[in-house]
Parts: sequence; C-alpha cells; structure tokens
Amino acid sequence: DGGITQSPKYLFRKEGQNVTLSCEQNLNHDAMYWYRQDPGQGLRLIYYSQIVNDFQKGDIAEGYSVSREKKESFPLTVTSAQKNPTAFYLCASTRQGAPTGELFFGEGSRLTVL
Amino acid sequence: RKEVEQDPGPFNVPEGATVAFNCTYSNSASQSFFWYRQDCRKEPKLLMSVYSSGNEDGRFTAQLNRASQYISLLIRDSKLSDSATYLCVVNLENQGGKLIFGQGTELSVKP
Repeated sequence: DGGITQSPKYLFRKEGQNVTLSCEQNLNHDAMYWYRQDPGQGLRLIYYSQIVNDFQKGDIAEGYSVSREKKESFPLTVTSAQKNPTAFYLCASTRQGAPTGELFFGEGSRLTVL
Repeated sequence: RKEVEQDPGPFNVPEGATVAFNCTYSNSASQSFFWYRQDCRKEPKLLMSVYSSGNEDGRFTAQLNRASQYISLLIRDSKLSDSATYLCVVNLENQGGKLIFGQGTELSVKP
C-alpha cells in the first residue's frame, strides 16, 4: 500500500543536539511538506519542496533544515538553533494537479527535548 | 485577529445528535477550503473539500458563506467514532497556495 512513512515516532533529545526526522513516500507525489503542531495551535509550515533538489522556507523555518535529493525522501533536521523544538512534526505530500489543500500526512514524529 | 479561527470546544454531544462547527477566515481572497479530521495523537486526514455550492458526504455537510467569510461542517446522527478534532483549512491562492490551518474544534460523542 502506498503512503508516507515517518520515523522515528517518538524521539527524545538533549538540548544542544541536532536530530533528523525521516519522511519517505511511495505515492509518487512531487510536493512534500513539513509542518509543526503545538497544543492549541494550528499546523504551521516549516519547509516545503515542489521538486527534487529544490525547497522553500515556510513560516517558521528558523532552526530547521531540509534536503530533497530524491523524490521519495524529504528529511527534516531540527538543529540546536531551534529554541523550542518540543512538538509534533508532520510530513505531508500532495500529487501534482491535486487541489492545493488535499494533503496526505504521515503518522508524525513526536520530539521531546529534555 | 487570527487568519482562521475555530471554537476549540470541546463539544460534548450524545450519540445521534446533530452538531455544527463554524470556522471564520479573515482573508477575503481565500479561494478554497477544506475540513480535516484528526484523531487524538494521530495525523490529520482529509474529510472533505468545501465547494461554493455546498456539498454533502453521507452524514457530513459542508457549506461556505463568502459574504460572511465562514465555512461550516454539520454532522448528523453523530456516532461514537466521530469523536475527534476537526481542522478547518483555508487556501490563500493569491499567496501561492499557502494553506492556513485553524487550531481545530474538539468533538466528543458520548453514549
């Protein structure tokens, strides 16, 4: 079955450490996105990529980095520069030609900074 | 003022009840609208798009009121399995298709 796989589901990090969250999709979707969700707030866009080897900053890109070397993969690195990294991170993708807004999400990665 | 606002709830209703959620948006250039469902500690899933003429999918009806800048979701004959958080999403097509998510409305259906 096609879908989006995020790993790890749960991650604990000490302050000052970088961590990388994996996102892999086998839906053959061109566009991929990273969102962050905090309690009581709407999802906020971190980065997005429309094609391989290209990506753009979203609304809250500071302290994060991404790469898009393969169509299937869009990993997110949470760097030590991110001041409040504890959150639920969601990767999403959409097929070309679909109405913007019809997103498929992975199951999410829950990051806790100790 | 937030770009997309929802009543966070929770809405506590008995099985079989009809419940309605509203979502207001501030940008009049918003072009397309969606409702997502998110179960506790899970990922959001698209429930339905909202069309200008309104649309229905089984027990769910979505409506758009451009003049008053709100969309609504009506759930009839609610089931225990409808318990979730419902997210309103607005597409600002004049900003390159930027999506704005509401914070969600929590629904709890009780036996």
